[in-house]
Amino acid sequence: QSVLTQPPSASGTPGQRVSISCSGSSSNIGRNGISWFQQLPGTAPKLLMYSTHQRPSGVPDRISGSKSGTSASLAISGLQSEDEADYYCAAWDDSLNGWVFGGGTKLTVL
Amino acid sequence: QEQLVESGGGVVQPGRSLRLSCAASGFIFSTYAMHWVRQAPGKGLEWVAVISYDGSNKYYADSVKGRFTIARDNSENTLYLQMNSLRTEDTAFYYCVRWGYCTNIICPGGMDVWGQGTTVAVSS
Repeated sequence: QSVLTQPPSASGTPGQRVSISCSGSSSNIGRNGISWFQQLPGTAPKLLMYSTHQRPSGVPDRISGSKSGTSASLAISGLQSEDEADYYCAAWDDSLNGWVFGGGTKLTVL
Repeated sequence: QEQLVESGGGVVQPGRSLRLSCAASGFIFSTYAMHWVRQAPGKGLEWVAVISYDGSNKYYADSVKGRFTIARDNSENTLYLQMNSLRTEDTAFYYCVRWGYCTNIICPGGMDVWGQGTTVAVSS
């Protein structure tokens, strides 16, 4: 059971906007920045977002991150077929003194 | 080009030890904190351990605390993970990861460079 809770799956059609949620607690999301990762099949994860809403160089601005209280979201607008992947959230947990990941969300582009 | 290359994985019996290495290149290794993150077959990501840029601070996941040791040699641009008392549940793909965008371990940064990973299989 992951400390951060994500829906196991999400889907959308090309061009649509989809949002993936990540629920935590006051010791992790409530106090610290969130990271989001994209993992394509058979490859290493790729950082999509750090410090909740900071995009690394090369990540398109159609991808955005937000946080409210103890929940965070990753939004992908203008959905493309190449967005089909697994997505993970992560945050530092002050109580555990370590990083925690969500269980991952498999995004399907219909 | 920033690169991390893991090595040292393999098949090992429960209770035995294994040491993973991660060779860094293309960036100033000694200025970055570094993580190990693992992924069991067909499962999600699990953070394992982190070490500060100078090796003075280390944190571990509860699942490996007391069994695994993270270390680094900045003169050799290499990160290590010494894994003792291995269990079947340690079977996973192990990634070496750079902590970028800030210097300290606990700061608003991100895991920005990942290695290709190395496989550890614990089986009798």
